[in-house]
Amino acid sequence: GAVVSQHPSRVICKSGTSVKIECRSLDFQATTMFWYRQFPKQSLMLMATSNEGSKATYEQGVEKDKFLINHASLTLSTLTVTSAHPEDSSFYICSARDGGGPNEQYFGPGTRLTVT
Amino acid sequence: AQTVTQSQPEMSVQEAETVTLSCTYDTSESDYYLFWYKQPPSRQMILVIRQEAYKQQNATENRFSVNFQKAAKSFSLKISDSQLGDAAMYFCAYRNQAGTALIFGKGTTLSVSS
Repeated sequence: GAVVSQHPSRVICKSGTSVKIECRSLDFQATTMFWYRQFPKQSLMLMATSNEGSKATYEQGVEKDKFLINHASLTLSTLTVTSAHPEDSSFYICSARDGGGPNEQYFGPGTRLTVT
Repeated sequence: AQTVTQSQPEMSVQEAETVTLSCTYDTSESDYYLFWYKQPPSRQMILVIRQEAYKQQNATENRFSVNFQKAAKSFSLKISDSQLGDAAMYFCAYRNQAGTALIFGKGTTLSVSS
């Protein structure tokens, strides 16, 4: 089955620093990847859609200068949280759309970010 | 814009019993997909069941089945013979034909007691 990995699974960083989260499709090519944010006991909120080789499309209210997304290859998208603050602490989940299939989307295991 | 509504924040069921989780949605499209995802404490999203809107037959996966009412825009999940491992948060989700991002409901936390 299609596998999506995320790295790291957990990260703690200090306020003001930047942290990068990687999302990889391991056995398929993902022309599109999606980044979600989830607060405890809440639903997944779409942050942005990234397409390979082009700029990401951000949802309303998401600061694109703070959450930098790069989708440089068909198997890798990265989310960089710049100048992180405690309110950025959250669970970040990516999903990847299988470009060769019926648009099925597969989720990564998520990354728990804690900003101290 | 499409919306997904789950009106039951929490549900509980006893082992071996049956429980139904509700979901309604709103869309103006005729072709789309509906999903139920399970999110256990590990927080890994697990696909439970998938329904294509053009198919009238309700999807079934082992103990999990759906009641898809397209005209009413309703998509409920029935879990039969509930097991302790079914305890999790369940999300109803909508996706259009083109494969844009999933739209999720707020989720229902299911607890299972022995």
